[in-house]
Amino acid sequence: SQQGEEDPQALSIQEGENATMNCSYKTSINNLQWYRQNSGRGLVHLILIRSNEREKHSGRLRVTLDTSKKSSSLLITASRAADTASYFCATVPSGGYQKVTFGTGTKLQVIP
Amino acid sequence: EAGVAQSPRYKIIEKRQSVAFWCNPISGHATLYWYQQILGQGPKLLIQFQNNGVVDDSQLPKDRFSAERLKGVDSTLKIQPAKLEDSAVYLCASSPDRGVGQFFGPGTRLTVL
Repeated sequence: SQQGEEDPQALSIQEGENATMNCSYKTSINNLQWYRQNSGRGLVHLILIRSNEREKHSGRLRVTLDTSKKSSSLLITASRAADTASYFCATVPSGGYQKVTFGTGTKLQVIP
Repeated sequence: EAGVAQSPRYKIIEKRQSVAFWCNPISGHATLYWYQQILGQGPKLLIQFQNNGVVDDSQLPKDRFSAERLKGVDSTLKIQPAKLEDSAVYLCASSPDRGVGQFFGPGTRLTVL
């Protein structure tokens, strides 16, 4: 089963604009991870945010986590055509065996 | 640092045939994962190894899929016999330990005719 549900399923923006995508999940987590997948390629790990963190930055990426709402958002600022890809959140549950579960993904298109 | 290697990159087979995929993780990574990704969906975990032991294989169709990780390094995933619905990309990933960011290989695109 897929715990994470990304929203929106697809997003199309102009180059230079910001892109925001959201991830909702159901059970308590140890951490949440975001990945990027370019067409026809493997996934690339972008950022990991732990359950006791509320915000994390990496370059043009900003991730927030709200454990009370069981949701996370990924913001890409000043988007570029090269950011065109699918973005997935992955959750690692708290306690016990730490099985990673991927969401359904947001397909981002950045128009030059 | 070399990334996760997978082979073959593409494979086309007839239904009921068998197929095997190979993965070489990043050196020193204890955890190895095999995922199935159907077009338009997120990766679905098939099996997770910690060193050479299986941690989770709850979503592995064990009547037709098998996997092993010899000596805690390389891994192979086999499908025998293949069905049409097995057409997907099979991704291998590794991580230094459980629950942390994973490094993915390029995947093997399997088409079952």
